[in-house]
Amino acid sequence: SYVLTQPPSVSVAPGQTARITCGGNNIGSKSVHWYQQKPGQAPVLVVYDDSDRPSGIPERFSGSNSGNTATLTISRVEAGDEADYYCQVWDSSSDWVFGGGTKLTVL
Amino acid sequence: EVQLVESGGGLVQPGGSLRLSCAASGFTFSSYSMNWVRQAPGKGLEWVSYISSSSSTIYYADSVKGRFTISRDNAKNSLYLQMNSLRDEDTAVYYCARGDPRLRGAFDIWGQGTMVTVSS
Repeated sequence: SYVLTQPPSVSVAPGQTARITCGGNNIGSKSVHWYQQKPGQAPVLVVYDDSDRPSGIPERFSGSNSGNTATLTISRVEAGDEADYYCQVWDSSSDWVFGGGTKLTVL
Repeated sequence: EVQLVESGGGLVQPGGSLRLSCAASGFTFSSYSMNWVRQAPGKGLEWVSYISSSSSTIYYADSVKGRFTISRDNAKNSLYLQMNSLRDEDTAVYYCARGDPRLRGAFDIWGQGTMVTVSS
């Protein structure tokens, strides 16, 4: 089965840049989606197809994907960005797969 | 307003059954694939099942295969998850989520979730 690996936690000061990684075997050949989930709420799609943003998502959210690592980058981090973030891909042997999630803490 | 609303969760004993429903509104339900995703207390997201727009293609996670059945009624704008032989480890919030082909299948709309507790 296909496995996506995320760091359990990332911390960043307000105004700085947060980078959350998602590792997987040759993930660069797949389309990666990213979700934000705040406590007690349903997940929200923030980046799809590696680097595209749904309408309503700030330009501060961006993504990249190459080799064995995909990255969600949040620029000019705000207190309201504090949440859990999950990466997701479709794999032919595992169907839909989510990463374990990364807790973003804004210091 | 585009919306998904789950219902049917509750407390059930191990080995029991439960049927979840997801009511869709504000979009052409029959044009989209749908998914069930669950989240155990304090844990991450786990994809459970997928159904294509016409019900012609269905997938299940290995953890639920043979026990859960996904279905949909496009005339009623509704998605279902029949859960049988429930286990303690099925305890979770269950979300329905829309897959948008324009977004490479990403789950762009989610319901608020319904809690399923399996316990004696």
